Amino acid sequence: GENVEQHPSTLSVQEGDSAVIKCTYSDSASNYFPWYKQELGKRPQLIIDIRSNVGEKKDQRIAVTLNKTAKHFSLHITETQPEDSAVYFCAPSPGKLIFGTGTRLQVFP
Amino acid sequence: GAGVSQTPSNKVTEKGKYVELRCDPISGHTALYWYRQSLGQGPEFLIYFQGTGAADDSGLPNDRFFAVRPEGSVSTLKIQRTERGDSAVYLCASSSGRGYEQYFGPGTRLTVT
Repeated sequence: GENVEQHPSTLSVQEGDSAVIKCTYSDSASNYFPWYKQELGKRPQLIIDIRSNVGEKKDQRIAVTLNKTAKHFSLHITETQPEDSAVYFCAPSPGKLIFGTGTRLQVFP
Repeated sequence: GAGVSQTPSNKVTEKGKYVELRCDPISGHTALYWYRQSLGQGPEFLIYFQGTGAADDSGLPNDRFFAVRPEGSVSTLKIQRTERGDSAVYLCASSSGRGYEQYFGPGTRLTVT
């Protein structure tokens, strides 16, 4: 089955710094690549996504880059804020979402 | 408009009992998904409906789990003979079609004692 890994598993940064989380996947049928943010006790929320015909997408402080040949995509958050603290999941999709192992991001003021 | 809703928000049941979890998707969304999330892990796919039919049920762990979506809108996840290992948050998501953005409900926290 699909193997999805995220690195790092935890990430601590100072407010204002950048954070990068990488996701690697194995299913070459994946054609949709979203990132979800999940705060403690809450539902996953889509923060950005990209499709296989695009290499990069940016939305204000958040960007996603995709390398389909190497089967990995990354989440980039610039100018981090304490409210960015959460668990982030990648979920490459050949239809259904296959969630990664999660990255706990802590942003210290 | 209204988002995905799920009821109940919490369910505590005894081992061996039967439970039903309900999901109301976003109006007009044809695709509906069920996931299960255990503590400290990412959501795990259970089943996907396109309209009324289960297009992919490969994630259902065993035959104690069953889901229906008789009119292509509301879906019910049914668990028979519950076990303590079934304790988790059950999440429902809907989208306008396969491969499109999925929007999650708040989940039902199931605890089997």
